[in-house]
Amino acid sequence: GQNIDQPTEMTATEGAIVQINCTYQTSGFNGLFWYQQHAGEAPTFLSYNVLDGLEEKGRFSSFLSRSKGYSYLLLKELQMKDSASYLCAVRTGGYQKVTFGTGTKLQVIP
Amino acid sequence: DGGITQSPKYLFRKEGQNVTLSCEQNLNHDAMYWYRQDPGQGLRLIYYSQIVNDFQKGDIAEGYSVSREKKESFPLTVTSAQKNPTAFYLCASKQDRASNQPQHFGDGTRLSIL
Repeated sequence: GQNIDQPTEMTATEGAIVQINCTYQTSGFNGLFWYQQHAGEAPTFLSYNVLDGLEEKGRFSSFLSRSKGYSYLLLKELQMKDSASYLCAVRTGGYQKVTFGTGTKLQVIP
Repeated sequence: DGGITQSPKYLFRKEGQNVTLSCEQNLNHDAMYWYRQDPGQGLRLIYYSQIVNDFQKGDIAEGYSVSREKKESFPLTVTSAQKNPTAFYLCASKQDRASNQPQHFGDGTRLSIL
């Protein structure tokens, strides 16, 4: 089976930096995605990692350690519009199976 | 513009009734997916399909059925066997050949029981 864990909720201050963690236990790991989802809307793609290390994309960075089954999403210079849920998703095996974690609801406060 | 269209946006089901949710994409993507999302929860995989006429059960397939007769279409039927169908249903598609390509999502269908 597969197990993908994220903290349920986080709160951070506007202008600050926040790190959202994701741990996974899967067979046949083949890449990890991060998505942002505003309430009542569809998820939108943020980043992808398949090799160990840090991927930077503007204010957003994502890190992966395959040996530890661990990833994090780093959000810098937080803005109020960053208040949303952040979903970690793992691709496994030869088939295009993509499984999501429970999601982390981030609240940015002034 | 290319994209994924889900319909209807809101759907109501009576007890014991089957309902079908539509998902159409014009992105020429090979893989398509159905997820269910309950309030405050992540996405749970119902079914996915890599190619036409082939599909696989996800983690919560019981009470659901799908078909993939055409590349662009992947309808989901919520049967009367699904005892708790009230949820937000999301359809997604993905280009199969490039593993680093993300899923593209439709705007979702909200299903409620009358």
